[in-house]
Amino acid sequence: ETGVTQTPRHLVMGMTNKKSLKCEQHLGHNAMYWYKQSAKKPLELMFVYSLEERVENNSVPSRFSPECPNSSHLFLHLHTLQPEDSALYLCASSQLGLAGNTGELFFGEGSRLTVL
Amino acid sequence: GNSVTQMEGPVTLSEEAFLTINCTYTATGYPSLFWYVQYPGEGLQLLLKATKADDKGSNKGFEATYRKETTSFHLEKGSVQVSDSAVYFCALRSPKLTFGSGTQLTVLP
Repeated sequence: ETGVTQTPRHLVMGMTNKKSLKCEQHLGHNAMYWYKQSAKKPLELMFVYSLEERVENNSVPSRFSPECPNSSHLFLHLHTLQPEDSALYLCASSQLGLAGNTGELFFGEGSRLTVL
Repeated sequence: GNSVTQMEGPVTLSEEAFLTINCTYTATGYPSLFWYVQYPGEGLQLLLKATKADDKGSNKGFEATYRKETTSFHLEKGSVQVSDSAVYFCALRSPKLTFGSGTQLTVLP
């Protein structure tokens, strides 16, 4: 138990569906992240939220839409995805200090997404 | 930019064998270095870290020493167990976190 909970653990969706991934952290951290993990590829940082504001968006297609309503919750809204978007989506949190991110990331167990 | 290079896997060892997973990095400034581990069906979790040159991080029998002169942070364990089978990621922070591509380790009984 890392203190970061992701739901659902598994999701299968068609290319025309709309679905959402949810992440909740119970660690009191002030930053949250979405990563994409595909087979045989490095981890890809998608989005970073600090104090509920998006501070990083790494050229992610608009069919992925993040939402951070408060410091404990992070969503990834999915719409008209492609089969190549099938991957493990990992949420993480950390505590940012004045000097930036000096701490470790705490990851959830991931949401395994399959796009048919 | 910053980058992390790990030895390519997969690595397959017998139980009680010695493990080394190589990791080298390029970074501006003085990065902190990490090893994360991902067990099957789980997310990543921090295994060990080192924040300055010559520091040695250790946990669960694993060790890695921050070598500034060779820009390396190799992961070692003297005697691996079947339960160590996982994917291991080397990472640096300077100040953003950059991950290596991961090394799959399989330990056979």
